[in-house]
Amino acid sequence: EAGVTQSPTHLIKTRGQQATLRCSPISGHTSVYWYQQALGLGLQFLLWYDEGEERNRGNFPPRFSGRQFPNYSSELNVNALELEDSALYLCASKVRGNSPLHFGNGTRLTVT
Amino acid sequence: GESVGLHLPTLSVQEGDNSIINCAYSNSASDYFIWYKQESGKGPQFIIDIRSNMDKRQGQRVTVLLNKTVKHLSLQIAATQPGDSAVYFCAEMVGSGYSTLTFGKGTMLLVSP
Repeated sequence: EAGVTQSPTHLIKTRGQQATLRCSPISGHTSVYWYQQALGLGLQFLLWYDEGEERNRGNFPPRFSGRQFPNYSSELNVNALELEDSALYLCASKVRGNSPLHFGNGTRLTVT
Repeated sequence: GESVGLHLPTLSVQEGDNSIINCAYSNSASDYFIWYKQESGKGPQFIIDIRSNMDKRQGQRVTVLLNKTVKHLSLQIAATQPGDSAVYFCAEMVGSGYSTLTFGKGTMLLVSP
């Protein structure tokens, strides 16, 4: 079974630009979660999509947005990039109910 | 702020020892808990989970203990190996699963040969 895949693995942008990160969940998983992991810190919840709808978002500004497509893959968009947006962005998927999230290996975003 | 925290930021052990990683949670409504292992350059990897109706659950070389009275979670790793060196996170979820997972800050486990 293929795991969660994320692309690109690395992304370098300059301040003010926009970044688009992509995620393909495990087959059969309908929920996709996005987390931000800044260097040396824990995982901060960003967004949660299920069945194509945004179900919840964390304490992040509106310039962090995303969507989930009919095939359950997902995009995270970050507008007006700031230096502090530099982090590892992790995508995870799960089935409904009390079940674990399965993570991809992330996209390392660097803002210069 | 985060409702899940860890007592020890770094734990150093010798190969072959048993390791215990602790986690405190503050939300008494949490009913599902997960331990993850994160190696450098990789995403978190699921280790073991436990529901609030259980006190203990065992996997291969790992055991998770849940003490709801004091809101404490621990991960025990038997016969720790160098490959176990990583950051370990506990995470909690509230509700039926239609909810988000909240992570603690993580504990670094260092295993010396």
